[in-house]
Amino acid sequence: KAGVTQTPRYLIKTRGQQVTLSCSPISGHRSVSWYQQTPGQGLQFLFEYFSETQRNKGNFPGRFSGRQFSNSRSEMNVSTLELGDSALYLCASSLERLETQYFGPGTRLLVL
Amino acid sequence: AQTVTQSQPEMSVQEAETVTLSCTYDTSESNYYLFWYKQPPSRQMILVIRQEAYKQQNATENRFSVNFQKAAKSFSLKISDSQLGDTAMYFCAFMKQKGAQKLVFGQGTRLTINP
Repeated sequence: KAGVTQTPRYLIKTRGQQVTLSCSPISGHRSVSWYQQTPGQGLQFLFEYFSETQRNKGNFPGRFSGRQFSNSRSEMNVSTLELGDSALYLCASSLERLETQYFGPGTRLLVL
Repeated sequence: AQTVTQSQPEMSVQEAETVTLSCTYDTSESNYYLFWYKQPPSRQMILVIRQEAYKQQNATENRFSVNFQKAAKSFSLKISDSQLGDTAMYFCAFMKQKGAQKLVFGQGTRLTINP
């Protein structure tokens, strides 16, 4: 069974732009969560989606948003990019809510 | 709020040795999961092992085993017969069994296996 896939793998943007990252969960998995990883802050929870609904959100500004589609694929969007948004963005899927999460390879975003 | 602490930023051992990585956590929850994930230089986060808090028996997965001490809120990972491919960042993580599906991670331990 294919694992979690994320596209694109690498992205370079400039301040003020917006970006959309995509995540396809493992087949049959219905829950998707997003995390931001930076050297300074470590791994931080962004949001969780299940049945096309955002169930929880971490402590991030409103510039960070996301959605989930009926096939469980998820996208996250960051508007008005700031230098501090440079990070590895990890997507994880689980079969149902509150079960073991399996991670994708991540999208590395660099904001110049 | 839950917190996870990994007190060893870096560790280094010789191939074939046994190494133990420490993790402590703080929570008022009774039911929760604990995980160890590894992140090799490729950056892919890989699940190593999972422990459910209600289970007294320590989880094992081949060369990987945990020492789960619920009262002490301690969750260490033992790697036996270490291999070069075990070189990675290791993260301890906590997740409640109710409410928000959110992994809370420690800061990580960078483990290097030397030939």
